Amino acid sequence: GAVVSQHPSRVICKSGTSVKIECRSLDFQATTMFWYRQFPKQSLMLMATSNEGSKATYEQGVEKDKFLINHASLTLSTLTVTSAHPEDSSFYICSARDLEGLRTGELFFGEGSRLTVL
Amino acid sequence: GQNIDQPTEMTATEGAIVQINCTYQTSGFNGLFWYQQHAGEAPTFLSYNVLDGLEEKGRFSSFLSRSKGYSYLLLKELQMKDSASYLCALRGGGGNKLTFGTGTQLKVEL
Repeated sequence: GAVVSQHPSRVICKSGTSVKIECRSLDFQATTMFWYRQFPKQSLMLMATSNEGSKATYEQGVEKDKFLINHASLTLSTLTVTSAHPEDSSFYICSARDLEGLRTGELFFGEGSRLTVL
Repeated sequence: GQNIDQPTEMTATEGAIVQINCTYQTSGFNGLFWYQQHAGEAPTFLSYNVLDGLEEKGRFSSFLSRSKGYSYLLLKELQMKDSASYLCALRGGGGNKLTFGTGTQLKVEL
């Protein structure tokens, strides 16, 4: 299957700083990537849909000024958590579909990034 | 909107068969997915149903009834490594995004 890589896998930062997480599709082009957040023992919650060359579409309740998404190329989307606070500590996961996935809807997930804000 | 219900936890014995149920309500249906997620890791794809019936894939099978808003994941010949969270996910309600259920934590015991 298609490979999606996410970096960094773990990050610890101080409250008030910004953190950037990268999501790359390694062997396919992804016009659309999805960013999810998962709190402990909870399911994945879709935060936003990242569209190459245009603005991201945010889910209700997700602050677009706090979670900046940039999808500058067909293989890279970035999520920047601005002015992070302890309540932003979570597991952030990106996902994408390859051409076959456009038909089936199957998503390939990155390895996830665990953010801890002190 | 969409609503997905799964049991929170299940326990089964190594070598046995377990069925994990998922019921859903959605304004538009365009496919149902099952993913496996081990603790601290990203989900991995298990199966996809868009038509009614059973899809078999090795030790894993998934069933869908669209009229009943119901799916199940069947795991056969359980192994200890099958201990994980199993997520039911819906594509629908407009757009191509997936909405995930809360997941069923399966514990496989000796």
